[in-house]
Amino acid sequence: DIQMTQSPSTLSASVGDTVTITCRASQDISTWLAWYQQKPGKAPKLLIYKASTLKSGVPSRFSGSGSGTGFTLTISSLQSDDFATYYCQQYKSYSGSFGQGTKLEIK
Amino acid sequence: QLQLKESGPRLVKPSETLSLTCTVSGDFISAGTYYWAWIRQTPEKGLEWIATIYYSGSTYYNPSLKSRVAISVDTSKNQFSLKVTSVTAADTAIYYCARQGGYRSVLPAPEYFDTWGQGTLVTVSS
Repeated sequence: DIQMTQSPSTLSASVGDTVTITCRASQDISTWLAWYQQKPGKAPKLLIYKASTLKSGVPSRFSGSGSGTGFTLTISSLQSDDFATYYCQQYKSYSGSFGQGTKLEIK
Repeated sequence: QLQLKESGPRLVKPSETLSLTCTVSGDFISAGTYYWAWIRQTPEKGLEWIATIYYSGSTYYNPSLKSRVAISVDTSKNQFSLKVTSVTAADTAIYYCARQGGYRSVLPAPEYFDTWGQGTLVTVSS
């Protein structure tokens, strides 16, 4: 089983800030990693796949990087619409295991 | 526009079988371009992938649930379904169906979940 660990669990920031969320895999997953955004009462939405490829239509202020076991999601110039919970997901093993989530709150 | 919608009973008794169906519109399961999956979410365990199916019937299961879960596809109705047997309170969750995309060696592969249904809360209780 590949375990995914996100940090921090909660992040407080202000509109206009740049924030970074980290995701670590328990073993090498190359770049087989996706990031999702979830708002309360809604399904998750895909933001990034293959660690750094932005899904069509996702604002360019979102970016992903990393390979192997360490990955980051960076959101630049935070907008009010970005306050949500973010999840990473590995798909090296087709098990689709997710991180526990990072809640991005308004400071 | 692609849409996925979950349907099925919202309340299931302990030890019984949970059955859900996902109806796909805006894409054809039989096209074979994507895989199709079920995921559930609870406050305790977060997001948990349950199972994935291809139009041909090939399946992948979460090892921790494999003994109780079955996924199936009906391409004539453009639907896929999930059954979870012998449910307990721990199976209470929001259940999502999703389209699963990606490619390995130019062939479709079950990788990331690019479109999700709205989700349906299923409660296991007597």
